[in-house]
Amino acid sequence: QITLKESGPTLVKPTQTLTLTCTFSGFALTTTEVAVGWIRQPPGRALEWLALIYGAGEIHYSPSLQNRLIITKDTSKNQVVLTMTNVDPVDTATYYCAHRHLGYFDYWGQGILLTVSS
Amino acid sequence: DIQMTQSPSSVSASVGDRVTITCRASQDVRHWLAWYQQKPGEAPKLLIYATSMLHSGVPSRFSASGSGTDFTLTISSLQPEDFATYYCQHAAAYPYTFGQGTKLEIK
Repeated sequence: QITLKESGPTLVKPTQTLTLTCTFSGFALTTTEVAVGWIRQPPGRALEWLALIYGAGEIHYSPSLQNRLIITKDTSKNQVVLTMTNVDPVDTATYYCAHRHLGYFDYWGQGILLTVSS
Repeated sequence: DIQMTQSPSSVSASVGDRVTITCRASQDVRHWLAWYQQKPGEAPKLLIYATSMLHSGVPSRFSASGSGTDFTLTISSLQPEDFATYYCQHAAAYPYTFGQGTKLEIK
């Protein structure tokens, strides 16, 4: 059974650096076919794909955010970490991590609501 | 980036109705298209992948079709639990992108 869960701060101040952790179980992030992605959703708005990391290490970012994002994995801890620098109130959103299979996100975490405010 | 445009943005329907939602890609995404259902306060759930393949556990009243740039999701007979927001997503190339969503409301 695949499960994922996001953790991290729920309130950060503008210009700070945000670190979110996705802890997963039920699969190993060690092969080229397996990947974990991050998707966010501002309140009342649509989903936005942010980043993806494959088990073999390949990484992809949203072009609009790639200069502010870093995605890493810790295979020994079954974790994927998303770091976002210089956060702004427009980054207020629910952040989800999800297991990617064949290009699609078949298992999602419950999400974590992040508020950026001074 | 490939833009995904859904229509309508919202639709009202009754239990038992047949509903179709459309998703159009700005470029050819071949068969790399998925549909998700999201209810308030919940994470999205995968319904359909590879244009027309039902994800495990998804009821057969959901179906989908299309290719290239034009895709549809059909719910054959709406059930009370189907009232939600639906998103399409392409996986043809990076960056992946989602449609803006279609909110399915009770009439």
